[in-house]
Amino acid sequence: GAGVSQTPSNKVTEKGKYVELRCDPISGHTALYWYRQSLGQGPEFLIYFQGTGAADDSGLPNDRFFAVRPEGSVSTLKIQRTERGDSAVYLCASSLTGLAGVEEQYFGPGTRLTVT
Amino acid sequence: AQKVTQAQTEISVVEKEDVTLDCVYETRDTTYYLFWYKQPPSGELVFLIRRNSFDEQNEISGRYSWNFQKSTSSFNFTITASQVVDSAVYFCALSEAKAAGNKLTFGGGTRVLVKP
Repeated sequence: GAGVSQTPSNKVTEKGKYVELRCDPISGHTALYWYRQSLGQGPEFLIYFQGTGAADDSGLPNDRFFAVRPEGSVSTLKIQRTERGDSAVYLCASSLTGLAGVEEQYFGPGTRLTVT
Repeated sequence: AQKVTQAQTEISVVEKEDVTLDCVYETRDTTYYLFWYKQPPSGELVFLIRRNSFDEQNEISGRYSWNFQKSTSSFNFTITASQVVDSAVYFCALSEAKAAGNKLTFGGGTRVLVKP
């Protein structure tokens, strides 16, 4: 079946602009995660959705970052007033239930965001 | 707070050699889960193995094996008879049972280069 998809694959924007990154999880997966991966580093957790609600947003760096999942499927990560330090690959992952340790997360190919 | 450390930044081997990747973790939780993921040049993270904190039995799965030792908080991973296709960045990750969902804390990754 189809895996996790993310669009766009690449996004170049100017400092101060607003961007939206989209994630389509595997059909039927209730848990959805966003991570950010800077060059040469491991992914860092941003936010976790269980269904439509954000169950854990402790990884969002500041209030410029916001994410939604209004129908419990597709999720959008929104970044306002982008800064050069936001440049990274943004990864989305999904899992069937979100139960800790029971299942693996399936990752999408990521969106590479470059802020100039 | 949880932390994962991968001290080796890059390992270079010749095909058919064995490769062992080190991972050391920190957590205050008594129940936790450890993972290894592979990130090939294409960029998509691929799940390899998962281990529960209450099961220290080491196993072999094909060319992969792992050595989990709670006494030293280590979760090392070995690729036997490496192949060129094993060239990738490998990440060790941790999730805690008490955390909401199954959010992962990743190490910095180890780049493995297998030369023909």
